[in-house]
Amino acid sequence: AQSVTQLGSHVSVSEGALVLLRCNYSSSVPPYLFWYVQYPNQGLQLLLKYTSAATLVKGINGFEAEFKKSETSFHLTKPSAHMSDAAEYFCAVRTNSGYSTLTFGKGTMLLVSP
Amino acid sequence: DVKVTQSSRYLVKRTGEKVFLECVQDMDHENMFWYRQDPGLGLRLIYFSYDVKMKEKGDIPEGYSVSREKKERFSLILESASTNQTSMYLCASSGTVVLGELFFGSGTQLSVL
Repeated sequence: AQSVTQLGSHVSVSEGALVLLRCNYSSSVPPYLFWYVQYPNQGLQLLLKYTSAATLVKGINGFEAEFKKSETSFHLTKPSAHMSDAAEYFCAVRTNSGYSTLTFGKGTMLLVSP
Repeated sequence: DVKVTQSSRYLVKRTGEKVFLECVQDMDHENMFWYRQDPGLGLRLIYFSYDVKMKEKGDIPEGYSVSREKKERFSLILESASTNQTSMYLCASSGTVVLGELFFGSGTQLSVL
């Protein structure tokens, strides 16, 4: 079965610092991987997705993620944090049960201080 | 602009009540999903539907049922609400079976007293 593990329930950075949110996956087949963001009092919205094309994926708001098969990782990065990046971030993997559903990680709350 | 609309943002119910959570999407998507979100547990799939009148159990279907009579509408039903069903409920839809990208509603925060 497919699963994802997000390391760290909370990550704190200063404005302008590098953002690194970690995600490791487990999958018996080539995975489709996603990062979603949830701002306060809102639903989730897609940041970026990996679907077996380029291993470096660029998303919205300056975020990107790199698929590393050897490390079974799909970490999310942004070179310079902005206050507006404060939100909860979820990594997800597409399940392979015959239907296209997503299995989500437990989430990482990103805190940005001035 | 694409939209998934959940009928209530906040809902307070009593133990034992029958509860309906409604979700409507305007994107003509085939697939619709109900997740619950709890702190520290992330999102867990309750039920999903890939076509009208079709439904499939997710990871935690116990205590829930669903209804999909029209393509745009997907309802989650708590037959007899219990306090452990206090949670944030998120509806989502997807029109692309292969890629699995989901579009989410804003959520319904349900409190069962």
